[in-house]
Amino acid sequence: DQQVKQNSPSLSVQEGRISILNCDYTNSMFDYFLWYKKYPAEGPTFLISISSIKDKNEDGRFTVFLNKSAKHLSLHIVPSQPGDSAVYFCAASAVWGTQGGSEKLVFGKGMKLTVNP
Amino acid sequence: NAGVTQTPKFQVLKTGQSMTLQCAQDMNHEYMSWYRQDPGMGLRLIHYSVGAGITDQGEVPNGYNVSRSTTEDFPLRLLSAAPSQTSVYFCASSYSIYQPQHFGDGTRLSIL
Repeated sequence: DQQVKQNSPSLSVQEGRISILNCDYTNSMFDYFLWYKKYPAEGPTFLISISSIKDKNEDGRFTVFLNKSAKHLSLHIVPSQPGDSAVYFCAASAVWGTQGGSEKLVFGKGMKLTVNP
Repeated sequence: NAGVTQTPKFQVLKTGQSMTLQCAQDMNHEYMSWYRQDPGMGLRLIHYSVGAGITDQGEVPNGYNVSRSTTEDFPLRLLSAAPSQTSVYFCASSYSIYQPQHFGDGTRLSIL
């Protein structure tokens, strides 16, 4: 059962335009959400995060929106640049159990973003 | 600052062989984890540790063992390699599950 879903495997946009990457989750216990960027032959690198107590977080060209009622988050990149071309992973974390016995970060399958010059 | 260091970067094994993938971090992070990345599957959690002496299973733990005797090191052991374990393995660390994880550059493992 996939708890974090990135339903679109790829997205192609023109340089300077907005890129919108979507992510849905099923487990209401998730309370911390992150986006990672990954280039080929490298490890994922952290991009931006949001706590469930917020609905928006901005960092330069990157903004993450969280809609808890819809269990949906999105990453907006404005303006998109060719260097943003990479695979983007959505991830969610929670602490399960009455004594915090299980702390897991769950990733989506990733989405390949291509920004064309 | 080295961050998260994984060794080796590449490895080819024969079915049935055992090996240990090494992971070390120098950031004094309590939380460490191992993931595998397969085409179309994203990153799947194998095992994780919330501190020295404490480990737990992730989503795909079968065929793998871990231990955490120090804060710095979190090795992943393949007991009897199988072709289904051909993958790219990533180690990551963070102060807690509510902090961004830092990833190593991965170990590309092929099992023939």
